[in-house]
Amino acid sequence: RKEVEQDPGPFNVPEGATVAFNCTYSNSASQSFFWYRQDCRKEPKLLMSVYSSGNEDGRFTAQLNRASQYISLLIRDSKLSDSATYLCVFGPDSGGYNKLIFGAGTRLAVHP
Amino acid sequence: GAVVSQHPSRVICKSGTSVKIECRSLDFQATTMFWYRQFPKQSLMLMATSNEGSKATYEQGVEKDKFLINHASLTLSTLTVTSAHPEDSSFYICSARNIIGNQPQHFGDGTRLSIL
Repeated sequence: RKEVEQDPGPFNVPEGATVAFNCTYSNSASQSFFWYRQDCRKEPKLLMSVYSSGNEDGRFTAQLNRASQYISLLIRDSKLSDSATYLCVFGPDSGGYNKLIFGAGTRLAVHP
Repeated sequence: GAVVSQHPSRVICKSGTSVKIECRSLDFQATTMFWYRQFPKQSLMLMATSNEGSKATYEQGVEKDKFLINHASLTLSTLTVTSAHPEDSSFYICSARNIIGNQPQHFGDGTRLSIL
């Protein structure tokens, strides 16, 4: 089983749509969870950390389900600028200070 | 602005050439830097952890004699791909951890290496 599994997509959605991605992880000892965004041929950028209680940042909501070992990302009111690849990322320590495990990413394409 | 600078951003060279990539933390000190590699449509894979003043720690399957890492100061780590071949063509990205405080890793903007 892969350490991290993500649906590669692409998810093609119109502007204004709500879209959700899930990501499963195999290491139950994972302590830190993140969503990163990567634009084509660019470095990944931290979108948000994911906390046990779930957290929201504007149009973005992240959830963690430790029992089922997955995290999710919900994007509301999609914008054209949200088009990118979304990477789920896990770390063995609580702060993500050390080795990070990256998923291969889910591609999102938002169209007018 | 960028807090981690990576140079060069693009390299195209002939097979057999050795290529050096620099990763600099711009406004903080980093005892630890990480080197990742990403092939097209694949995830970032950690190659090695670079520790200032000591030997790098390599991930399983990564040849330390092929990918030389030097972390000589708290703001600079270098990755040298020795005798590069076409299969080494990839996107190489570094990240750095601030020595102070609980902060996430900052990523450089990557180096796209193409070996002809």
